[in-house]
Amino acid sequence: DGGITQSPKYLFRKEGQNVTLSCEQNLNHDAMYWYRQDPGQGLRLIYYSQIVNDFQKGDIAEGYSVSREKKESFPLTVTSAQKNPTAFYLCASSMAGGSGYTFGSGTRLTVV
Amino acid sequence: KNEVEQSPQNLTAQEGEFITINCSYSVGISALHWLQQHPGGGIVSLFMLSSGKKKHGRLIATINIQEKHSSLHITASHPRDSAVYICAPTENTGNQFYFGTGTSLTVIP
Repeated sequence: DGGITQSPKYLFRKEGQNVTLSCEQNLNHDAMYWYRQDPGQGLRLIYYSQIVNDFQKGDIAEGYSVSREKKESFPLTVTSAQKNPTAFYLCASSMAGGSGYTFGSGTRLTVV
Repeated sequence: KNEVEQSPQNLTAQEGEFITINCSYSVGISALHWLQQHPGGGIVSLFMLSSGKKKHGRLIATINIQEKHSSLHITASHPRDSAVYICAPTENTGNQFYFGTGTSLTVIP
């Protein structure tokens, strides 16, 4: 079955360490997205990519980096520059134009 | 700024009740998603609609583009409907979503 896989589901890191969250899709979707969700707030866009080797900053890109070397994969690195990294991170993908929008199951990152 | 307003924020219902969740938005959009998020965090897209009404099982979604308003209805609610429901309008290119903060629904047996 096609879908999006995020791993791991829970992740703990020490403050000051970079951490990379994985997102893989086998839906043949062109576009992929990373969102952050904090309690009581809506999802906020971190980065998105409409095509391989290209990506754009979202509303809260500072302290994060991404790569899109393959169509299926869009890993997100939370760097030590991100001041408040503890959050729930959701990856999504869609066909060009936004149809077929599909979310992953999320990764809950806790920085201690 | 709040491009998307959902109401109510929290809703508790008895099993079998008819439920309505409302969404108003201020931006120009091409379509609107209703999303369901369960306690584990994963999100499922229930509907994407750009006009009129869509029905899937006990769920009905309507949208009025001119009034910038959408509603999600659940008929004969069931405890398994307990989740957070999120309204997500999509701007014209389809790449930018605006998200409401969600409506937390609890259906009591």
